[in-house]
Amino acid sequence: GAGVSQSPSNKVTEKGKDVELRCDPISGHTALYWYRQSLGQGLEFLIYFQGNSAPDKSGLPSDRFSAERTGGSVSTLTIQRTQQEDSAVYLCASSLLGDLSGANVLTFGAGSRLTVL
Amino acid sequence: GQNIDQPTEMTATEGAIVQINCTYQTSGFNGLFWYQQHAGEAPTFLSYNVLDGLEEKGRFSSFLSRSKGYSYLLLKELQMKDSASYLCAFMDSNYQLIWGAGTKLIIKP
Repeated sequence: GAGVSQSPSNKVTEKGKDVELRCDPISGHTALYWYRQSLGQGLEFLIYFQGNSAPDKSGLPSDRFSAERTGGSVSTLTIQRTQQEDSAVYLCASSLLGDLSGANVLTFGAGSRLTVL
Repeated sequence: GQNIDQPTEMTATEGAIVQINCTYQTSGFNGLFWYQQHAGEAPTFLSYNVLDGLEEKGRFSSFLSRSKGYSYLLLKELQMKDSASYLCAFMDSNYQLIWGAGTKLIIKP
């Protein structure tokens, strides 16, 4: 696609429920990133995919968080048994290659705003 | 350790100039990025500096001093549409981006 597409744009859920957030990166971009953006905080790195593999899962906050990527394209971030502290905007970004440089910047989606009641 | 800091909020007048500062500390450095984010929208790339000095791109310029761990984004001839958050991020030795909390810029007529 022309840009990075994320769905849903807004999700309100009850504490304890599972949620799935989807990211469609730019066609041909091999690298895909998930970030979490909370009010007053910098972007928090969650996970990075190169193709379908995730060489860096270091940012996932707990084992309730998981992500997968299939076909080197679409990625899904799953949060199980959601907690109120999971409320945030979840941003997905893609880049042409995994080696970030000035010539290889991140293109972000508009994010999925998650509210856990 | 690593950290990055930028002001939380700034206010400026339409047509004026504003400088948004960003300071960072890291043992390994592979460049510094500035992104613009309008409320509810995706962050969009503005600039990348890896060498010391000023990079000019239209109304926006970005400066880097690696020895001082300091960067700034300079916006000239401010327009109302420049009201947004400006995110600073450096790339560490592992090519991991470390993000500041963002500076919310409010433009007044």
